[in-house]
Amino acid sequence: DVKVTQSSRYLVKRTGEKVFLECVQDMDHENMFWYRQDPGLGLRLIYFSYDVKMKEKGDIPEGYSVSREKKERFSLILESASTNQTSMYLCASSFRGAGGEKLFFGSGTQLSVL
Amino acid sequence: RKEVEQDPGPFNVPEGATVAFNCTYSNSASQSFFWYRQDCRKEPKLLMSVYSSGNEDGRFTAQLNRASQYISLLIRDSKLSDSATYLCVVNSPVYQLIWGAGTKLIIKP
Repeated sequence: DVKVTQSSRYLVKRTGEKVFLECVQDMDHENMFWYRQDPGLGLRLIYFSYDVKMKEKGDIPEGYSVSREKKERFSLILESASTNQTSMYLCASSFRGAGGEKLFFGSGTQLSVL
Repeated sequence: RKEVEQDPGPFNVPEGATVAFNCTYSNSASQSFFWYRQDCRKEPKLLMSVYSSGNEDGRFTAQLNRASQYISLLIRDSKLSDSATYLCVVNSPVYQLIWGAGTKLIIKP
């Protein structure tokens, strides 16, 4: 089974802190994604990556950055956390090509910024 | 108008009943469609893809209506374990997955 592991299930941070969310997948997938999920809004794409050291902005990249130094790891960084970044963050991966729309998700990180 | 819209529900349905819900999309050039299931406080998981001719997987049937730009999910003989939020996903021409906000389904004994 594909495993996508997110480093923390719950995280509480203070406004202005730098926050790192880590995601690791074990299936050699090329594609990796970071979403946030808020009630009534559905999943919104923050950043995605199709290869090592490659990154593309999604719909809501402001206030976030990412890093993909190794194929299996995709990190989301909040440079200076703000209260409006309180959300559920979901990492996902998929393979490139046909069927690549099947995303495998990590169990999510519920981030609270106080 | 949102690109992908779903009735948020909740749909409260007795066990054993049939339930159906739709998802509308705005981009007529959308190419592929999916239903994901998300249990409370869990991650989404792919339930099924939606093919042009319609497709069935056990008690679940998915259909696509391109003319009216919606997809549907029908669940027959509903089980308590079907209680979840069902997310509609549409793949636009530039390979961007657009997610609906989900329809919450509650199956009651």
